[in-house]
Amino acid sequence: GNSVTQMEGPVTLSEEAFLTINCTYTATGYPSLFWYVQYPGEGLQLLLKATKADDKGSNKGFEATYRKETTSFHLEKGSVQVSDSAVYFCALSTGNQFYFGTGTSLTVIP
Amino acid sequence: DVKVTQSSRYLVKRTGEKVFLECVQDMDHENMFWYRQDPGLGLRLIYFSYDVKMKEKGDIPEGYSVSREKKERFSLILESASTNQTSMYLCASRPGTMADEQYFGPGTRLTVT
Repeated sequence: GNSVTQMEGPVTLSEEAFLTINCTYTATGYPSLFWYVQYPGEGLQLLLKATKADDKGSNKGFEATYRKETTSFHLEKGSVQVSDSAVYFCALSTGNQFYFGTGTSLTVIP
Repeated sequence: DVKVTQSSRYLVKRTGEKVFLECVQDMDHENMFWYRQDPGLGLRLIYFSYDVKMKEKGDIPEGYSVSREKKERFSLILESASTNQTSMYLCASRPGTMADEQYFGPGTRLTVT
């Protein structure tokens, strides 16, 4: 079946630190991959996406590369800010359905 | 900008009440979804709809039903609310292709007492 596994949180980093949140997936066929972000009290917002192998999605300094050989889509940012504190969800899409990871909470301290 | 709105941000209901959660999207999207979000469990799909009057069960449909009479509106119904349905409910919509992302509403935090 289809599923997404992402690293457990919570993650706490100092401002300007490097961020990696791991995400691996299991899917039949060739899924599209997404990272969503949820700020406190809000719904999910799309952060970035990649629709085929070796694509790199990027937005607001975050990036992730669709790696078919390792079935991974790890989220990275070179220098996090306090405003990046949120919950991050990895997701895949096949056909009509989406499959979400359980989310990783990130707190960035000044 | 795509906009997905949900009828309430916060709702408090009593056990046994019938509860309606409304979701409206303004971009003529084919697909609409209802999720619930609980700590440690992530998002779990309750129902989705890929067309007017069409619905499909998700992973946790028990205790819920849905209605989609018009393309822009997707309603979630709790037939007889129970305390274990206390949760954050998120609605999403999406155009019809696999490459497209979902657009989420702000969520409704439902408390059943």
